[in-house]
Amino acid sequence: KNEVEQSPQNLTAQEGEFITINCSYSVGISALHWLQQHPGGGIVSLFMLSSGKKKHGRLIATINIQEKHSSLHITASHPRDSAVYICAVGDNQGGKLIFGQGTELSVKP
Amino acid sequence: DAGVTQSPTHLIKTRGQHVTLRCSPISGHKSVSWYQQVLGQGPQFIFQYYEKEERGRGNFPDRFSARQFPNYSSELNVNALLLGDSALYLCASTRASTPGELFFGEGSRLTVL
Repeated sequence: KNEVEQSPQNLTAQEGEFITINCSYSVGISALHWLQQHPGGGIVSLFMLSSGKKKHGRLIATINIQEKHSSLHITASHPRDSAVYICAVGDNQGGKLIFGQGTELSVKP
Repeated sequence: DAGVTQSPTHLIKTRGQHVTLRCSPISGHKSVSWYQQVLGQGPQFIFQYYEKEERGRGNFPDRFSARQFPNYSSELNVNALLLGDSALYLCASTRASTPGELFFGEGSRLTVL
């Protein structure tokens, strides 16, 4: 069993839909990251969480430390949100992370 | 300001050869981390360097080595290449004031034939 599990692995949505991607982990952590990867490889850091909830534009990330679970929500989804979303856990020093396998999101117009 | 830059962007090698990948962090960032991403999988942590010292190492064989230079740029070296080393190699830098905020380069795509 992987230490970081994401679900679903693939997700297709219609433009405007509310999207949820889940991440469960089995190791002790100080921080959880949500990352976005577009075709071609570039990765953008969306959030780093150690507790509670963060919001940036249409993106919301929550974490429940006791349940070792995090969710990434996208409100009013748009085709430009199509990407692979990756959950990663580790310490709060950034580098040494354990990554999930990613969730491939496709938003259709 | 320039982002994290990696070179080369693409390269093809044959089994047994050696490869050197390079990463220049964002100006002012003193920590660099390296990751390997095999097609269809999430990245895996290889190394982290801070102030030229190795801070962490992932579960990779000794064929993988890295170093960080006084200007905080970094090299990842892989010896005796195997077909399974074919992957996207990503570099990320962080600044001391916000160590958890990662800035990634576009990666170096290595194909081993």
